[in-house]
Amino acid sequence: DIQMTQSPSSLSASVGDRVTITCRASQGVGNYLAWFQQKPGKAPKSLIYSASNLQSGVPSRFSGSGSGTDFTLTISSLQPEDFASYYCQQYNTYPLTFGGGTKVEI
Amino acid sequence: QVQLVESGGGVVQPERSLRLSCAASGFTFSRYSMHWVRQAPGKGLEWVAVISYDGSNKDYADSVKGRFTISRDNSQNTLHLQMNSLRAEDAAVYYCAKSASGLHYPMDVWGQGATVTVTS
Repeated sequence: DIQMTQSPSSLSASVGDRVTITCRASQGVGNYLAWFQQKPGKAPKSLIYSASNLQSGVPSRFSGSGSGTDFTLTISSLQPEDFASYYCQQYNTYPLTFGGGTKVEI
Repeated sequence: QVQLVESGGGVVQPERSLRLSCAASGFTFSRYSMHWVRQAPGKGLEWVAVISYDGSNKDYADSVKGRFTISRDNSQNTLHLQMNSLRAEDAAVYYCAKSASGLHYPMDVWGQGATVTVTS
């Protein structure tokens, strides 16, 4: 199975900060990488697919980059509604696997 | 709008069975692969199972293989997860998720989740 390792597992930030979350795959996944946002008690929401493509309706302050084994999710200017947990997921190979998550806190 | 609504969650004893359903609307259900993903209390996301648009291809996480069965009824726009021989570690919120297309496409829409509690 492909292991997805996210770092950090949690971070504290302020409104307006630039935030970067990294995701590393144990083997290459091409650009078959998605990012999801999850708020407490809610279902995950798709943010980015194919490593760098924004889902429709996602604010442009979110961006993704990377390919192969190393990926990043960047929030250019953190907004109050962005405090949540973020997960990466590879969909190149079954079983599909998620990173352990990054909790973004105030 | 695209909507997925899970049902069938509840409290069940170990080794018993439960069947989850996911009602789809707002899109042509029969054209898309579908997934089940779960999240144990306070934990991260775990992929559980996938089924192709026509039901001809299925795959499972090792943790549920042989105990869970994914199926779909395209005439009723409904996805199912039959869960047998439930264990304490199966307790979780179960989400159905729509693929953007086939088996190697991202999940783009999620349901609100159904809670499964396994306790004696």
